Amino acid sequence: EAQVTQNPRYLITVTGKKLTVTCSQNMNHEYMSWYRQDPGLGLRQIYYSMNVEVTDKGDVPEGYKVSRKEKRNFPLILESPSPNQTSLYFCASSLDRNAYEQYFGPGTRLTVT
Amino acid sequence: GEDVEQSLFLSVREGDSSVINCTYTDSSSTYLYWYKQEPGAGLQLLTYIFSNMDMKQDQRLTVLLNKKDKHLSLRIADTQTGDSAIYFCAERLSGGYQKVTFGTGTKLQVIP
Repeated sequence: EAQVTQNPRYLITVTGKKLTVTCSQNMNHEYMSWYRQDPGLGLRQIYYSMNVEVTDKGDVPEGYKVSRKEKRNFPLILESPSPNQTSLYFCASSLDRNAYEQYFGPGTRLTVT
Repeated sequence: GEDVEQSLFLSVREGDSSVINCTYTDSSSTYLYWYKQEPGAGLQLLTYIFSNMDMKQDQRLTVLLNKKDKHLSLRIADTQTGDSAIYFCAERLSGGYQKVTFGTGTKLQVIP
């Protein structure tokens, strides 16, 4: 089944403790992206990647890092999480940067205390 | 800059039509989308329209685009309880990569 998977689905952590949220897609998509969803703000793009080893900042990149060492994986790294990073995070992928449709993962709900 | 706005809530009775509205600011949009998010799930593409179209119909869904007013709407005919979800409007801007800006989302509540 073609899908985007994220792990973990739920995470509660403390300020300053490094964490990684994994994202994987099995559709051989070139383009991958991370979003955060906050009430009243919709989805905002954090980082995106057009292909292996090609990443760039989205609208709200502060406090986040990403890497794209393999085509299928696009992990989101929070080196020193803070409470303002409490949010619902979505990974998405599309065939390439010109494809009209993005496929979304199920989301990761992160709480930083 | 780009900005996509939606009302936050809409409540309708089962069997009625729902109309969810969206306004956007960037006239260089190429695609305009409607995504559906069910509770606890990711976003699912519901329908989309090219910016050179005025209307698109797909079964119970009708998308209307008014480019002059930068207004997009989604009409759901014969709304069912299974349509209860958050609906996001989104625009894709012209350019070299897939920059998509999402609206705030409209929570549709369908009353039986």
